[in-house]
Amino acid sequence: GENVEQHPSTLSVQEGDSAVIKCTYSDSASNYFPWYKQELGKRPQLIIDIRSNVGEKKDQRIAVTLNKTAKHFSLHITETQPEDSAVYFCAAGAGGTYKYIFGTGTRLKVLA
Amino acid sequence: DARVTQTPRHKVTEMGQEVTMRCQPILGHNTVFWYRQTMMQGLELLAYFRNRAPLDDSGMPKDRFSAEMPDATLATLKIQPSEPRDSAVYFCASGLVLGKPQHFGDGTRLSIL
Repeated sequence: GENVEQHPSTLSVQEGDSAVIKCTYSDSASNYFPWYKQELGKRPQLIIDIRSNVGEKKDQRIAVTLNKTAKHFSLHITETQPEDSAVYFCAAGAGGTYKYIFGTGTRLKVLA
Repeated sequence: DARVTQTPRHKVTEMGQEVTMRCQPILGHNTVFWYRQTMMQGLELLAYFRNRAPLDDSGMPKDRFSAEMPDATLATLKIQPSEPRDSAVYFCASGLVLGKPQHFGDGTRLSIL
């Protein structure tokens, strides 16, 4: 069935370093890939998304890359700050179903 | 800033009681999703609706859970009878079309004693 694998499950980085989270999807029909950030006790919030006709998208310190051939996409956070500490979820959406398949989440801890 | 509204924010009740959670999607959004999350685990899709019609409820325990959309501004998720294992945060999300993001509500934190 449809599946999204996300790695690593936990990630600790020093403040100022970069963080990379990787996801792999199984459904070749997937064409939309959002990333959500969830702080403790809060709702998931969209931080960036990418569509299948784009290979890379950047928004300030956050970037997402997509490799459709390999069916994987990654989130890159540069110059990490303590407020980047949260759980990050990737997701893949395909036309026709309207639903997303979410990854299992990555707990990012930025050490000051 | 349009937001998805969920009520109640917190609910504590005893095992066996009926629980009803409500969701008001963002005005104009025609797709509504119900998710369950336990202890900061992944987001488990329970059911979703498009134009008020249920499209998929395969993630929902059918014997005790039910989801409805009585109108375009209200979605409900009911548990009857509730069990301790139902304790979790239940999120509602709404969206417009695929290729546009889903927006999450603040969730209902449910504790079944």
